[in-house]
Parts: sequence; structure tokens; C-alpha cells
Amino acid sequence: DTGVSQNPRHKITKRGQNVTFRCDPISEHNRLYWYRQTLGQGPEFLTYFQNEAQLEKSRLLSDRFSAERPKGSFSTLEIQRTEQGDSAMYLCASSFRSNEQYFGPGTRLTVT
Amino acid sequence: KQEVTQIPAALSVPEGENLVLNCSFTDSAIYNLQWFRQDPGKGLTSLLLIQSSQREQTSGRLNASLDKSSGRSTLYIAASQPGDSATYLCAVEGVWDNAGNMLTFGGGTRLMVKP
Repeated sequence: DTGVSQNPRHKITKRGQNVTFRCDPISEHNRLYWYRQTLGQGPEFLTYFQNEAQLEKSRLLSDRFSAERPKGSFSTLEIQRTEQGDSAMYLCASSFRSNEQYFGPGTRLTVT
Repeated sequence: KQEVTQIPAALSVPEGENLVLNCSFTDSAIYNLQWFRQDPGKGLTSLLLIQSSQREQTSGRLNASLDKSSGRSTLYIAASQPGDSATYLCAVEGVWDNAGNMLTFGGGTRLMVKP
């Protein structure tokens, strides 16, 4: 399967713990996006990479959130000192230049 | 700031019915509009992408139209089937968004097709 993959698919953590998610984009795609989706809502943009450069961050991305894309391949999204409000589905998407975005299956985070 | 609205929020129809889902956006300066399908607890599957210069796109029983000047798009589903039950999301890529190619999503229409 050459689609976008995300790991883990589900994560349950206690408030205050740190969590890290991974996204592997489609291999030839140079753009990678992170979105967050809460129950019953559409996804909201978090951040965007072109190759290894993080070019934009939403104001939704507080200083507890950090994302990296070393070598322009896979990306990680880390949330420090998780809060219950961080519970959501975290979606990754990739595209080649400005074309159609392809989404992964998402990582569902539950903070207890 | 771009805002995307989808009406209705939920729709229930009997199998076989043709149906239309609506999407509206406030800023007509867009590169393209995408329609996605999302099954419960799953990621997004792209259905159709309409470039700003296009008026419509078709794939199987799906037809999406775009009227950029009025800020509207419709997704037409012909001969609906129970397997079409899902949430349908529209998203626009804005020309003036700070982030290159970020998508702004509507809240979705939750469709149920009853056998």
C-alpha cells in the first residue's frame, strides 16, 4: 500500500503526559500537512511542511505542540503536557506541489 | 478569513433516491474545492477535486459542481445506496491563505441511506 500511513492509530494517555505521532507520506510527495478534527466538526489546519521546512503554523498550535519533518520524509507531531482538550483525531495529509491532498487514517488521541 | 458551511448537517434518505449536498464558502478567491468522504472513526477519502477554472467533475454516480462567483458547490449523488452512508466534507484551498495550500473545511453532512 503506497498511501499515507499514521501511527499509532489510537493513543490513550493521562493528562500531563507527552505523546508523539508519526506520519509517513506518499513517497514522492513534497508537501505534508497536519490537521486536527474534533467530534462532529470538520478538520482544522495545524501546520504544513514543504520538504523539511515548516512553512506555516496555525494559532491552534500552542507552544505545547511541535512538529518536525527531518530530511523531508516522515513527520512527527509531539504534544507535551497533554490536556483533555487535546483529545481529537489528528490527521496527516500529503500532496505533490499544489495538487490534491491525500489523507491518512488518522491517530485518535484520548486524554483521560 | 475563509469560512465554509455545509447544509444540511444531517440527511436521511431511502435507498435509490438522488440527493444533493450543499457547500458554501465566503471568499471566492480559491484554487480548488475538494469533496471528501469520511466513515466513522476513519480518515478522509478524496472523492472529487474541482479546479477554480472548472465548473464540474464527475466520478461514477457522483457529480460535483462549482460556482466560484457565488461561493457555492454541490455534490450530487445518483441512485443512493446504503454503502454511501458516511459524512461528506467539502474543503477549499484559498488563494490568500497564509499557508500554501491549506484546506479550510466545512462541518460536514452526515448522510444515512436506509435500505
